Amino acid sequence: ETGVTQSPTHLIKTRGQQVTLRCSSQSGHNTVSWYQQALGQGPQFIFQYYREEENGRGNFPPRFSGLQFPNYSSELNVNALELDDSALYLCASSRRGSSYNEQFFGPGTRLTVL
Amino acid sequence: AQSVSQHNHHVILSEAASLELGCNYSYGGTVNLFWYVQYPGQHLQLLLKYFSGDPLVKGIKGFEAEFIKSKFSFNLRKPSVQWSDTAEYFCAVNAGTGNQFYFGTGTSLTVIP
Repeated sequence: ETGVTQSPTHLIKTRGQQVTLRCSSQSGHNTVSWYQQALGQGPQFIFQYYREEENGRGNFPPRFSGLQFPNYSSELNVNALELDDSALYLCASSRRGSSYNEQFFGPGTRLTVL
Repeated sequence: AQSVSQHNHHVILSEAASLELGCNYSYGGTVNLFWYVQYPGQHLQLLLKYFSGDPLVKGIKGFEAEFIKSKFSFNLRKPSVQWSDTAEYFCAVNAGTGNQFYFGTGTSLTVIP
């Protein structure tokens, strides 16, 4: 088990709604990355937050947004949900400035869009 | 953009058989390489990693991987698999100073007792 926690565990929304997912990073970590893992696929990088600012973004539309708080926890917000947004959303924390760039993953939030 | 290819989508082995899972990546610069495992109902866990030095790296649970720079490969191996190795295995690449991890599509391993 890593020290990364995510909430909620499962979530069901309908198309067009908005959702907020939360992540608490492992103690001592200052960087949070978010990934989308569709069924049968590998995780796809959404974005990363460091010092409360977005620091790198994958190929996701602007309706995917995030926040990082002073305690390094983070939120992922998705507006105008689409059916294809149904996936496992993973949060990973790491420490920028450490000797290597290792990420520790949380258990994920399973989002179902109906 | 970087990409990661895992050629074996589903592998079925009997216990004690040897395992090799292929991983190739496309990026010409310095890379950090990882293998993650996802056991049924559990989160992604790091099996092993390569940053520099000896291209043969050893991880947890008897797994090892070899980085072959000329082939852009980082194949995962285990001499003798166990039923408990049944899981999804993901190869991941991170460019030397970049923030983004690129994952392969995963290989589902089923070990038959």
